[in-house]
Amino acid sequence: GENVEQHPSTLSVQEGDSAVIKCTYSDSASNYFPWYKQELGKGPQLIIDIRSNVGEKKDQRIAVTLNKTAKHFSLHITETQPEDSAVYFCAAIISGYSTLTFGKGTMLLVSP
Amino acid sequence: EAGVAQSPRYKIIEKRQSVAFWCNPISGHATLYWYQQILGQGPKLLIQFQNNGVVDDSQLPKDRFSAERLKGVDSTLKIQPAKLEDSAVYLCASSFRQGSEAFFGQGTRLTVV
Repeated sequence: GENVEQHPSTLSVQEGDSAVIKCTYSDSASNYFPWYKQELGKGPQLIIDIRSNVGEKKDQRIAVTLNKTAKHFSLHITETQPEDSAVYFCAAIISGYSTLTFGKGTMLLVSP
Repeated sequence: EAGVAQSPRYKIIEKRQSVAFWCNPISGHATLYWYQQILGQGPKLLIQFQNNGVVDDSQLPKDRFSAERLKGVDSTLKIQPAKLEDSAVYLCASSFRQGSEAFFGQGTRLTVV
C-alpha cells in the first residue's frame, strides 16, 4: 500500500518568515495530494490540494509543488502569521480508487 | 452547508467497557470514512463506506470494533470491549465520491482508563 513520509515533525518560525513542509510518497499511481490543517481540538481541514497533472498550485500565501518523478510534494507558506500555527498533514490517494494515506504531521509554531 | 457532525465530543470509559460513536455526513455525500488518530500521529483509516456498503475495512480490528451505515447516511462506530490502546480521537469524514475532497468532523476524543 501507499506510504507517506513527512518532514519535519516540528517547525518553528518567526512571524513573516516562510515555512516549507515536505512529503514523499511510495505509490507512483497516486494522483491526488491534499494538505490538511488541524487546529487543537478540531478535525483536519483541507487548505490546498494538487493533482498529478499539475506541477504547482498557489492560493494566496499558500502554495504546493509536486515532483512526480521524485515522488515528492511540498507545502509552502509565505509571510507566516501566528494563526498559521497548527499541525499540517499531507496525504496521497489514487483518486476514485484508494483511500487517503496521511503523513505523520508537522507541528508549525509561528512566533510573533 | 452543514458540515460533518459527530457525537459525543468526549468520552471516558474504563477498559473492557463498550462505547459507540455517531456520525452524520454532509448531505449527498456517498462516501463515509472513520479514522483513528492517536496523539502525535496522522489519521489512520479504520473503515470506508460507499453508501451502505463497506469498501475497505482492512485496518479495522474486527474482534472489538464494528461499524455500520444501515441507510447509507448516518453511521455508528462501536468498540467492545475497549482497551487502553484505543485511547485516541475518532474522526468521521465524508466525500461526494470515493477519492474526492474529504471533509472531516471535529472528532470524538476517547480516553480509556
